[in-house]
Parts: sequence; C-alpha cells; structure tokens
Amino acid sequence: DGGITQSPKYLFRKEGQNVTLSCEQNLNHDAMYWYRQDPGQGLRLIYYSQIVNDFQKGDIAEGYSVSREKKESFPLTVTSAQKNPTAFYLCASNLRGNTEAFFGQGTRLTVV
Amino acid sequence: QKEVEQNSGPLSVPEGAIASLNCTYSDRGSQSFFWYRQYSGKSPELIMSIYSNGDKEDGRFTAQLNKASQYVSLLIRDSQPSDSATYLCAVNNRGSTLGRLYFGRGTQLTVWP
Repeated sequence: DGGITQSPKYLFRKEGQNVTLSCEQNLNHDAMYWYRQDPGQGLRLIYYSQIVNDFQKGDIAEGYSVSREKKESFPLTVTSAQKNPTAFYLCASNLRGNTEAFFGQGTRLTVV
Repeated sequence: QKEVEQNSGPLSVPEGAIASLNCTYSDRGSQSFFWYRQYSGKSPELIMSIYSNGDKEDGRFTAQLNKASQYVSLLIRDSQPSDSATYLCAVNNRGSTLGRLYFGRGTQLTVWP
C-alpha cells in the first residue's frame, strides 16, 4: 500500500535532548513537508523540501532541523533550542507544490 | 495579513441539514484549493480539491470556488454525526516559487442527531 509513514506515534523528550521524528513515503512524491499543530490551532509549516538535497525554512523553523538525502525520507530533528516542543507533528507529501498533499498519521511529542 | 482565513466556529447543524463552510484567501494568484477533514487527535484527510471557478461535486460534498471574490466554500449535504470534525481549507500560493500550501485555522463542525 502506498502512503506516508511517521514514527514513532508517541515520543517523550527530556529537557535538553534532541529527538528525531521519522517520515517515509512510497508515493514517489517530490515534495515533503513538516507541520506543527498545537491544541485548537491550525497547521504551521516548519520545513519543506521540493527535491532531494534541498529544503527551505517554513514559518517556524527555529529550533528544528531537517535533511533530505533520499526522495522517500524527510526526518525532522527537534533540537534543545526549541523551547516549547510539545505538539502534534505532521508530515505530508505531494507530487509537486501545487497538487494534493497527503498526511502521515502524526507524531505526538511531549516534553517530560 | 493571514493568507487563508476561516470562521473558527463552532458550527452546529442538525442531522440531515446542509453544512456550509467558508474560506477566503489573500493571494489572487492562487490556483489550487483543498478541503481537509480532521477528526480529533487524527491527521488531516483530503476530501476535496478544486482548481477552477465553479462547483465540484463528490457525493455529499460540493466545493465552490470564486476566484474573483477570493473565496472557496464547502457544502456538506445530508450532514451526518460522523461528519463532526474540524475542516481545514488549504490554498497553494502560486505567487511563491516554492509552491507551498497555506492552511486556515479550521472550522469545527458538530452535527447533532
């Protein structure tokens, strides 16, 4: 089955730790995105990538980092510089920027 | 200025009624428009896409686009309790070479039996 897989579903981070969220897609999509959603809020774009080995900052990139070494994979690292990381993180992909985007099931990150 | 605006609601309709959800956008160059449904605690699910002026129907859902007025709407006919969710409007900002989607904050819909 084609789709977008995010892992883990739940993640707990201690203060000062870096954590990496995984996103893999087998849809042969060129573009991939990371969004953050806080309770009762809309989606805010963190980073996105339109081609391998290239990515752009979104609206709230501070405290986050990404890589795009393979077309299928777009991992997100939440660094210790992100002071309020507790949120629901969503990965999405589409064939190109102006086409339908599809989402993974999300990772819920909690700071403990 | 927000790129995409939606009434946050909540919107409450009885079962069987028509639910009307509205969205406005700021970039006149936008060409791709999408509606997503998000159940509580779940990820957004694409339900409609529309690219040209007019209406597009898919089952109980109808998307309407008016580029001159810069609004896009979603009508849900014969609303069911299972339609209770948050509906997100998304617009591709063609004015940007980066081709990203902008999302509204969503409208919460409740359909009561």
